[in-house]
Amino acid sequence: DVKVTQSSRYLVKRTGEKVFLECVQDMDHENMFWYRQDPGLGLRLIYFSYDVKMKEKGDIPEGYSVSREKKERFSLILESASTNQTSMYLCASSSPRGRETQYFGPGTRLLVL
Amino acid sequence: DAKTTQPNSMESNEEEPVHLPCNHSTISGTDYIHWYRQLPSQGPEYVIHGLTSNVNNRMASLAIAEDRKSSTLILHRATLRDAAVYYCILIGNAGNMLTFGGGTRLMVKP
Repeated sequence: DVKVTQSSRYLVKRTGEKVFLECVQDMDHENMFWYRQDPGLGLRLIYFSYDVKMKEKGDIPEGYSVSREKKERFSLILESASTNQTSMYLCASSSPRGRETQYFGPGTRLLVL
Repeated sequence: DAKTTQPNSMESNEEEPVHLPCNHSTISGTDYIHWYRQLPSQGPEYVIHGLTSNVNNRMASLAIAEDRKSSTLILHRATLRDAAVYYCILIGNAGNMLTFGGGTRLMVKP
C-alpha cells in the first residue's frame, strides 16, 4: 500500500516562528502536493512539485515556501508563522500519468498562537 | 476546473444502501469524475473514479449519467465505518491538481 507520512499530527507554534512541515512518500511518485483545509473552504492547493527541485505555486502560496531536494520528501515552510496560518495541512503524492489518484497523508493540525 | 455540487449532508441506516449524488453540469468531455472520502481526523482517501461507463470496485460503485452531467456514488451496505465526508471531484487536462468543494457529510445510524 502507498504510504504518505507527515512529520507531526499536531503542532503548536508562536507568531513569527519558522515552521517546517515534512512529508515523505514511499511509492516513488514524481508528483507531490501541499494543501490546507479549513472549515467551509474545503482543500486549497498551496504548492506542488512534479520532480526533484521543481515547484509550482498553487492557489494560495503567499506566506509559504517549499523544498524538494529528494524525490520522496516534500517540505512546506512557513517563514514567519501567523495566526491566519492555523489550519490542517495535508500532503499528497501521485504518479505523473495525468488524472491519477492522489494519496494523502494523515494531516498536520497546526495552531499558531 | 469544472464545478461540482453535492448535498451538505445525508443520513443512512447501517447495512442499507446509500446513494450519494453529485451534479457537474459544466463537465468537459475529457474530465474524469473522482470520488474521495475523508474520515474524521484523517486525510482524504480515494474511493473510485470513472469517465463514461459505470464502475465498480471493492469499496463502492459509481453510476455516471449518460450526459455525464451528474453521477452517483453507491455504497451497497453502509457500515458505521463509512461515516465520512464524501467529495466528488472533476480532474481535467490541467492534470493532477484537485479542487475539493464542501462534500457530503454521511451519517450512518446503527
